Amino acid sequence: EIVMTQSPATLSVSPGERATLSCRASQSIRDNLAWYQQKPGQAPRLLIYGASTRATGTPARFSGSGSGTEFTLTISSLQSEDFAIYYCQQYDNWPPWTFGQGTKVEIK
Amino acid sequence: EVQLLESGGGLVQPGGSLRLSCAASGSGLIFGDSAMSWVRQAPGKGLAWVSGISGASVAIHYADSVKGRFTISRDNSKNTLYLQMNSLRAEDTAVYYCAGYYYGVTGYYDIKKPFDFWGQGVLVAVSS
Repeated sequence: EIVMTQSPATLSVSPGERATLSCRASQSIRDNLAWYQQKPGQAPRLLIYGASTRATGTPARFSGSGSGTEFTLTISSLQSEDFAIYYCQQYDNWPPWTFGQGTKVEIK
Repeated sequence: EVQLLESGGGLVQPGGSLRLSCAASGSGLIFGDSAMSWVRQAPGKGLAWVSGISGASVAIHYADSVKGRFTISRDNSKNTLYLQMNSLRAEDTAVYYCAGYYYGVTGYYDIKKPFDFWGQGVLVAVSS
């Protein structure tokens, strides 16, 4: 099973600032990595797939990078609606499909 | 756009059973060519994949934590996914989401995709 590790657990950021979230896989997953955003009481929403491709409706301020075992999600200028929990997920080697433990982006 | 609607959750005693359903609808939906999964989220915790099934139900997978207790199935004529949960434990308490992706004519094992569409979730609480 591929273990996904996200850091930090919590990120405190002021609106308008940049946020950088990290995700590490326990073995290479090439670029088969997705990022999801989850707001309280809502289902996860696909933001990024293929490590760097924005899903339909994802604003351009969200960007993903990385391949192999190290990945990054960057939010260039945080808006109020971006404060949420972000999960990475690998879909290279399944089953099982595995998720990171999440990074909470909160208002500083 | 695909919409998924889960139902069947509730409060059950330890050792009890529940059956979840996930009804799919929407323009462009080809349910029978979509891989579907159940993903759960314990209170205050992260996402954990539970079980998955291919479009024609030929391939079925379970997380070790539910193997032998949960059964996934689907009825493509009704565009519906199911999860039969038996021998429930307190640690099964979670919001259960159905989620999936379309893989079309590509072989089920040949495609690698994230979960494109998700339901809103249904709460399962196991407690005496």
